[in-house]
Amino acid sequence: KQEVTQIPAALSVPEGENLVLNCSFTDSAIYNLQWFRQDPGKGLTSLLLIQSSQREQTSGRLNASLDKSSGRSTLYIAASQPGDSATYLCAPNRDDKIIFGKGTRLHILP
Amino acid sequence: NAGVTQTPKFQVLKTGQSMTLQCAQDMNHEYMSWYRQDPGMGLRLIHYSVGAGITDQGEVPNGYNVSRSTTEDFPLRLLSAAPSQTSVYFCASSRKPGQGSEQYFGPGTRLTVT
Repeated sequence: KQEVTQIPAALSVPEGENLVLNCSFTDSAIYNLQWFRQDPGKGLTSLLLIQSSQREQTSGRLNASLDKSSGRSTLYIAASQPGDSATYLCAPNRDDKIIFGKGTRLHILP
Repeated sequence: NAGVTQTPKFQVLKTGQSMTLQCAQDMNHEYMSWYRQDPGMGLRLIHYSVGAGITDQGEVPNGYNVSRSTTEDFPLRLLSAAPSQTSVYFCASSRKPGQGSEQYFGPGTRLTVT
């Protein structure tokens, strides 16, 4: 059974800092891994999708890496802004069951 | 494209009542799924479907039924609502997961069972 852990559970940093969110998963036989963002009371917004054959994916200030063999992914946010405050979720995809981590609650201090 | 739509946005039920949460997508996606989100528990998979006529259980299927008669629709039925089913429910769709496709989520249904 796939288990997904996200560390840290919560993070507060001053604006402008670079930061790293971590995701680990127990079953490495995945098709892909997706990172999402969720604002309070809202739905999920897809940020990045990394295929199992890829090592990383970039979109603007976001960079996600994937090390399938060790069951790890990281989401790097450069030059953080108050608008980045949200919960970030990772979701590795295996065998048609997409299981989520509990997320990292990020608060960027102005 | 409307993407993934869910109705209703909010619902209050009394214990024992039944209802159906609707989910539809217009992207011709084979894969559809239902999640519930509770504080401190994250998103948990209830049921999923890899195509019309095919459904399977996720992590927390008890108390919920699904069917998939068309590619577009994937309703979630609560036969006898319980307070433990108070949650926010999200529907998602994608092309076949094995094709490495992105998941798209609906806006959610906030359900309260009293």
